[in-house]
Amino acid sequence: KQEVTQIPAALSVPEGENLVLNCSFTDSAIYNLQWFRQDPGKGLTSLLLIQSSQREQTSGRLNASLDKSSGRSTLYIAASQPGDSATYLCASDNYGQNFVFGPGTRLSVLP
Amino acid sequence: DTAVSQTPKYLVTQMGNDKSIKCEQNLGHDTMYWYKQDSKKFLKIMFSYNNKELIINETVPNRFSPKSPDKAHLNLHINSLELGDSAVYFCASKGTSGVIRETQYFGPGTRLLVL
Repeated sequence: KQEVTQIPAALSVPEGENLVLNCSFTDSAIYNLQWFRQDPGKGLTSLLLIQSSQREQTSGRLNASLDKSSGRSTLYIAASQPGDSATYLCASDNYGQNFVFGPGTRLSVLP
Repeated sequence: DTAVSQTPKYLVTQMGNDKSIKCEQNLGHDTMYWYKQDSKKFLKIMFSYNNKELIINETVPNRFSPKSPDKAHLNLHINSLELGDSAVYFCASKGTSGVIRETQYFGPGTRLLVL
């Protein structure tokens, strides 16, 4: 059964810093790996989706990478802004199991 | 236009009551989901529905029953509510384009509090 973990659990950085969020999964038989953002009291917004055949995806200041062999994905946020403050979740879309979410990383970007 | 909508947004009720949460998606997706996010913020899948067929039920108590009147709707019925049912419930939908499995779109959540 797929298990997804994320480190760190929480992260606080000053505005302008580049940062990396980590996601690990135990079963490499995935369709894709997705990163979501959740603002307090809100639903989830999809940020990036990496198909199993891809290595990375980019959207604006966000870059997500996928290494299936090591069971890892990273989300890189460049030039962080206070508006980036939120909880970031990764989720694996698995063969036969559907989506499994990590516990999330709570990010605070200080002005 | 809201892609995935849920009603109600907040639901406060007594133990033992029966309640329903509605979900609608206007994306033409063929699969819909219900998730539960507990107080520790862990998000866990409860059900998924594909073309009106339940395809996953992740050890959820049978007090919870999904009902899909059509492809655009997946409602969640909860009988005999318990204190531990208090959580945020999210509906989501996803399309499938051939072999490409697409991202999910989430509703805003329904905050259920059982007293």
